[in-house]
Amino acid sequence: QVQLQESGPGLVMPSQTLPLTCSVSGGSISSGDYYWSWIRQHPGKGLEWIGYIHNTGRTYYNPSLKSRLTISLDTSKNQFSLKLTSVTAADTAIYYCARRSVSGTTHFDSWGQGSLVTVSS
Amino acid sequence: QSALTQPASVSGSPGQSITISCAGTSSDVGSYNLVSWYQQHPGKAPKLIIYEVRKRPSGVSDHFSGSKSGNTASLTISGLQAEDEADYYCCSYAGSITHVIFGGGTRLTVL
Repeated sequence: QVQLQESGPGLVMPSQTLPLTCSVSGGSISSGDYYWSWIRQHPGKGLEWIGYIHNTGRTYYNPSLKSRLTISLDTSKNQFSLKLTSVTAADTAIYYCARRSVSGTTHFDSWGQGSLVTVSS
Repeated sequence: QSALTQPASVSGSPGQSITISCAGTSSDVGSYNLVSWYQQHPGKAPKLIIYEVRKRPSGVSDHFSGSKSGNTASLTISGLQAEDEADYYCCSYAGSITHVIFGGGTRLTVL
């Protein structure tokens, strides 16, 4: 069974870049069957889709974040990453990585435990 | 694009049934049978409980069921149990630009 685990800095200064990594075990991110995804949850609020990447390198981003966002793959480490630039307090959230099947469906069937990122000086 | 609309809270007694609505538009819920539902307990990651409107993943109890009519999807929980107390989120495919849109979440309280 696939498992996902986020890792990141916990605290990021305003205007800096937020880096997060998702390590995948029990399955290969080189599989063409999935989109590897990032989703966030502001404190006490709902879920927000950030974006996802396919093993071909094709990315799909939330239009509201697209100008600040990069999602990439590292197949040698079986990891994928998120970089969000020019962060503000509004980017403070729990960031989840998740897996979404490619084949004609859009649900997220496996999730990491989440990584809390606080943007503050 | 705005989030899908869910009631902020619902409640029910053990053994009762409740339904949580998820209102979208003709650009998301109404156009695709790609609605999913997630259960989230405090401090935990969301867990998939319904996909493609009404399908249940392996291992998910059959007291969860989903449906859709027009632009509104619904999650019904029958025979409420204490462990069903959680937050519930709907999610829909929303086309090739927006891709994914979530509801604002509904807190279920089991009285």
